[in-house]
Amino acid sequence: DTGVSQDPRHKITKRGQNVTFRCDPISEHNRLYWYRQTLGQGPEFLTYFQNEAQLEKSRLLSDRFSAERPKGSFSTLEIQRTEQGDSAMYLCASSSRLAGLNEQFFGPGTRLTVL
Amino acid sequence: KQEVTQIPAALSVPEGENLVLNCSFTDSAIYNLQWFRQDPGKGLTSLLLIQSSQREQTSGRLNASLDKSSGRSTLYIAASQPGDSATYLCAVPSGGSNYKLTFGKGTLLTVNP
Repeated sequence: DTGVSQDPRHKITKRGQNVTFRCDPISEHNRLYWYRQTLGQGPEFLTYFQNEAQLEKSRLLSDRFSAERPKGSFSTLEIQRTEQGDSAMYLCASSSRLAGLNEQFFGPGTRLTVL
Repeated sequence: KQEVTQIPAALSVPEGENLVLNCSFTDSAIYNLQWFRQDPGKGLTSLLLIQSSQREQTSGRLNASLDKSSGRSTLYIAASQPGDSATYLCAVPSGGSNYKLTFGKGTLLTVNP
């Protein structure tokens, strides 16, 4: 399967702990995005990478959140000192600038539950 | 600020019926519009992308239209099947970008056998 993959699929943690999620985009895609989705809502944009450069961060991404994409391949999203309000589905997507349309393809998501 | 609204929030139809899902957006300066499907607890599956210069896009039993000037898009599903049951989301790039998607809350579709 050559789609977007995310790991882990589910994460349960206690408030105050740090968590890290991984996203592997479609191999030829140079653009990578993180979104967050809470129950009953559409996904909300968090951040955008073009190759290894993080070009935009949403105001939703507080100082406790950090994302990286070393070497322009996989990406990680870390949340420090988790809070109950961080409980959500974290979705990763990728697209290819070369394709022109910038159609975004999403992974299966990581469901985070903060107790 | 771009806002996306989807009507209805939920729809229940008998199998075989044709149906229309609606999406409206407030800022018509968009590059494209994308329709997605989301099954419960899963990620998003891209169904159709319509470029701003297009009026329609078709894939199998799905047809999406775009009226940029009025800020509206519709997703038409022909001959609905129980397997079509899912949440359908529309999204447009916002803030002058061609990548930062703003989503509606979705329409929850149930197709009854």
